[in-house]
Amino acid sequence: EVQLVQSGAEVKKPGESLKISCKGSGYSFTSYWIGWVRQMPGKGLEWMGIIYPGDSDTRYSPSFQGQVTISADKSISTAYLQWSSLKASDTAMYYCARRVNLVATIDYWGQGTLVTVSS
Amino acid sequence: QSALTQPASVSGSPGQSITISCTGTSSDVGGYNYVSWYQQHPGKAPKLMIYEVSNRPSGVSNRFSGSKSGNTASLTISGLQAEDEADYYCSSYTSSSTLEFGGGTKLTVL
Repeated sequence: EVQLVQSGAEVKKPGESLKISCKGSGYSFTSYWIGWVRQMPGKGLEWMGIIYPGDSDTRYSPSFQGQVTISADKSISTAYLQWSSLKASDTAMYYCARRVNLVATIDYWGQGTLVTVSS
Repeated sequence: QSALTQPASVSGSPGQSITISCTGTSSDVGGYNYVSWYQQHPGKAPKLMIYEVSNRPSGVSNRFSGSKSGNTASLTISGLQAEDEADYYCSSYTSSSTLEFGGGTKLTVL
């Protein structure tokens, strides 16, 4: 069974750093792309970027380029989304999502990680 | 402001059919047959309902169907059931090699 299991909810202060994770299982982790999707409170889905764990090829949506870093450790089948300096506007639910290739649909989603940034 | 335009809300009575539209441009919806639809219940992760315009993943009810004409894709749900009440999002591959989502549509089953 394909599963994407994300790390737990986080509460941080503005200016702090954060790295959340997404562990894949039940499939060949290095053969699929893993993307990240933001959902701000009460709002819609936003595509952030994607990584191919097989060779770490990473693509960012223009809106998120320079704002976050996407990485992966294929030895432990885990993808990451990180911030160096959080802002209150980063408060959102973040989902990881699997895609077969760059044109394909998202076929599996993680359960989501809620990030709250507040002073 | 989302790149793909969806109605904010639609509603229907049990047993009826409803259609949700997703309008883009020739650089996304109109240019590729890579439109997908996702269902999201409150507090839950999205779930894939339709991919590549009109294909249903295994396990998705055949009450859900998708189509496309020009720059507009559509999701139709027939035989509405109470459990269909949720938010629905479309997505499309784009000419910039990225993915775009619609703003989402809230379906209310009356």
